[in-house]
Amino acid sequence: SSELTQDPAVSVALGQTVRITCQGDSLRSYYASWYQQKPGQAPVLVIYGKTNRPSGIPDRFSGSGSGNTASLTITGAQAEDEADYYCNSRDNSGYHMIFGGGTKLTVL
Amino acid sequence: QVQLQESGPGLVKPSQTLSLTCTVSGGSISSGGYYWSWIRQHPGKGLEWIGFIYYSGSTYYNPSLKSLVTMSVDTSKNQFSLKLSSVTAADTAVYYCARMVAANDGFDIWGQGTLVTVSS
Repeated sequence: SSELTQDPAVSVALGQTVRITCQGDSLRSYYASWYQQKPGQAPVLVIYGKTNRPSGIPDRFSGSGSGNTASLTITGAQAEDEADYYCNSRDNSGYHMIFGGGTKLTVL
Repeated sequence: QVQLQESGPGLVKPSQTLSLTCTVSGGSISSGGYYWSWIRQHPGKGLEWIGFIYYSGSTYYNPSLKSLVTMSVDTSKNQFSLKLSSVTAADTAVYYCARMVAANDGFDIWGQGTLVTVSS
């Protein structure tokens, strides 16, 4: 079966740039989406189709990817960006969705 | 704008069936272009896709849960539902309903989530 792998935790200094990565074989065929989840809240879509930002999402959030890796970059991280971030895509069959294990982002 | 709201029992006994409903407001479930989804999150853990259903009734389930899951859609009520049979304590989780955009696979709208505890 397919998997998406994320680093469990990442930290960034306030105002600096951080990249969160997601690796998986299915990313060679399907685009990734990214979600931000704060404690006690439902996830929020921040990137879809590998690089697209929904309306209302700050432009400091950007997505990219190549090969089996997708990345979420936050340029100029703010205190309010401290959250869990999950990547998501299809599995190798294309008929099922999978999530990465999540990355806890700490803004120092 | 479209909103989703989960409803159902917060406590289910082991071996019984968990049943949840998601009510869609602000838009029609029959409009097409979306997969209506269930996702769960075990306490302190990550997100797990359970499955989704198209308004026509076509379903796709997580292979690891497929034998236990049934989803349905009621277009007249603008609702879709989840049934998970033979539950155990391992099914205790926050259950979210969410809308996935077929064109880009993004889950763009989520319900607030509902905690379901499996306990006798």
